[in-house]
Amino acid sequence: GENVEQHPSTLSVQEGDSAVIKCTYSDSASNYFPWYKQELGKGPQLIIDIRSNVGEKKDQRIAVTLNKTAKHFSLHITETQPEDSAVYFCAASVGGTSYGKLTFGQGTILTVHP
Amino acid sequence: NAGVTQTPKFQVLKTGQSMTLQCAQDMNHNSMYWYRQDPGMGLRLIYYSASEGTTDKGEVPNGYNVSRLNKREFSLRLESAAPSQTSVYFCASSGTRDRGSNEQFFGPGTRLTVL
Repeated sequence: GENVEQHPSTLSVQEGDSAVIKCTYSDSASNYFPWYKQELGKGPQLIIDIRSNVGEKKDQRIAVTLNKTAKHFSLHITETQPEDSAVYFCAASVGGTSYGKLTFGQGTILTVHP
Repeated sequence: NAGVTQTPKFQVLKTGQSMTLQCAQDMNHNSMYWYRQDPGMGLRLIYYSASEGTTDKGEVPNGYNVSRLNKREFSLRLESAAPSQTSVYFCASSGTRDRGSNEQFFGPGTRLTVL
């Protein structure tokens, strides 16, 4: 089955800096790659996703890049703010009947210091 | 519109006891999921239901059973709880397999401790 590795496990930045979280996946058939943000005591919430036919996607301060050849994808957060502090998870899934079966990475605890 | 709701929020069980975790969604989603979250391991899929009337095993199904009661409700049952099942359990739902409907919406979680 699919295996998703996520690095780093913790990331500490100063407010205004950029943060980058990287994930690699093993199943070349995976074609959907979402990123979730989980705040303390809450369930994960989707912040951005990308499909295999796209190399990059941006949404304001957040961007995701995908390299299908190398089987890795990354989350980029620019101009970080204290409210960006949370746990971030990457995930991957294969389309078709398995479309909803996400395999998650281990998570990255992001701390943004004011 | 409450989204995904889960009950209870917290539960403490003794080894060997049974319990059912309840989940309901009001977004008319076809698919529902149960995950467990353990420190350093991300979220792991226990069972999922692609549509009403169907259920299937995920990555870690042993020790659990599920019931898709109707389109709204998807329950997770622990028949004989073990300390290894101490975890935070999340229910999620998503739309159809159509493009643009793959976002999974998560509930607030149930924190379960098995002594």
